[in-house]
Amino acid sequence: KNQVEQSPQSLIILEGKNCTLQCNYTVSPFSNLRWYKQDTGRGPVSLTIMTFSENTKSNGRYTATLDADTKQSSLHITASQLSDSASYICVVSPTGGYQKVTFGTGTKLQVIP
Amino acid sequence: DTGVSQNPRHKITKRGQNVTFRCDPISEHNRLYWYRQTLGQGPEFLTYFQNEAQLEKSRLLSDRFSAERPKGSFSTLEIQRTEQGDSAMYLCASSRDNEQFFGPGTRLTVL
Repeated sequence: KNQVEQSPQSLIILEGKNCTLQCNYTVSPFSNLRWYKQDTGRGPVSLTIMTFSENTKSNGRYTATLDADTKQSSLHITASQLSDSASYICVVSPTGGYQKVTFGTGTKLQVIP
Repeated sequence: DTGVSQNPRHKITKRGQNVTFRCDPISEHNRLYWYRQTLGQGPEFLTYFQNEAQLEKSRLLSDRFSAERPKGSFSTLEIQRTEQGDSAMYLCASSRDNEQFFGPGTRLTVL
């Protein structure tokens, strides 16, 4: 069964600090990996999308990395802000078909002043 | 606002009633997806349309669930004879390529 596991489950950091969220997946063959930010009660918003041939992708203070050999991805948030408080979801798409698009359960990040 | 919109945002219903949700995708997007998300979990794929054709349906989509996209624009998701286990956030997304844009969701509570 294709799985996407994220860690930590939740994280509290001080405003201005950096943090790194992890995503391990078993989806194969692999098409692309996306990171989404989801505010409470809202739909997910795309942060980055990477194909298997890409190692890193940045979007402002968000930098995602991908190691397709070890099937690991990370999302690094630099100089965190209070507005970064949200759930961050890793989504992995296999090649062929949308049935098997697999969402992780997310990391709930809380940034405190 | 040219993003994905969903209506209603919240729906409370009694068990056994039918409910219908609407999704209006971004206008130039030909692909539309429905997902279900329960508290503390990631979204689960329900179904996918390319234009008006429903190309994939998850096994999660029981006979009580039906989705349509009659003109290849907006889509509706109907749940018949709702059960308490149907309580969840129902998310719609649209895309033109690999990147899906999500709507705000419809939160369903079945009493």
